Amino acid sequence: AQSVAQPEDQVNVAEGNPLTVKCTYSVSGNPYLFWYVQYPNRGLQFLLKYITGDNLVKGSYGFEAEFNKSQTSFHLKKPSALVSDSALYFCAVRVTWNSGNTPLVFGKGTRLSVIA
Amino acid sequence: SAVISQKPSRDICQRGTSLTIQCQVDSQVTMMFWYRQQPGQSLTLIATANQGSEATYESGFVIDKFPISRPNLTFSTLTVSNMSPEDSSIYLCSSRTGKETQYFGPGTRLLVL
Repeated sequence: AQSVAQPEDQVNVAEGNPLTVKCTYSVSGNPYLFWYVQYPNRGLQFLLKYITGDNLVKGSYGFEAEFNKSQTSFHLKKPSALVSDSALYFCAVRVTWNSGNTPLVFGKGTRLSVIA
Repeated sequence: SAVISQKPSRDICQRGTSLTIQCQVDSQVTMMFWYRQQPGQSLTLIATANQGSEATYESGFVIDKFPISRPNLTFSTLTVSNMSPEDSSIYLCSSRTGKETQYFGPGTRLLVL
């Protein structure tokens, strides 16, 4: 079975400082990894994904994430946080070993609060 | 990227009634899913909507409670039947083509009194 862990319920960071939102995963097979963001009263917006290739992936709004196979992690990062980055962030994983019809499995979410 | 719309965006319903949520995708997609999200919580997969056949339900969800239709490659409905206050939640439609990115609709916010 596949699972995702986001160990922090809440992350607080000052505006302009770097931010990290942690994610670890457990799958039997090669993972597809995703980050989504949810603003208040909105649906989920896709940020970035790792499928294969370069371990560092860049996504929307200046976010990036690094795939670390040995640590089974996919932490989300941004060099300089903005107040507008405050939202709920979800990490998700899907395995790739079968026909590809598996759904996404989500972590519990991490609420990011950027303080001016 | 696929653009997904849902109707209604929100509703307040009485206990014992049913609500049907519609999901429309702007392009043909291979797969459609329905998720439930308690406010501020994570997403739980209800079922995969299969075009032309019965939906595939996850553990804890049954067809009698959450009947799903998918008559074509761009449209699906989820019905929440015989509602109770415990069904108050956000219901999200999602779509994907093959191994590509999965996109989500804006959600339907349901409050059951």
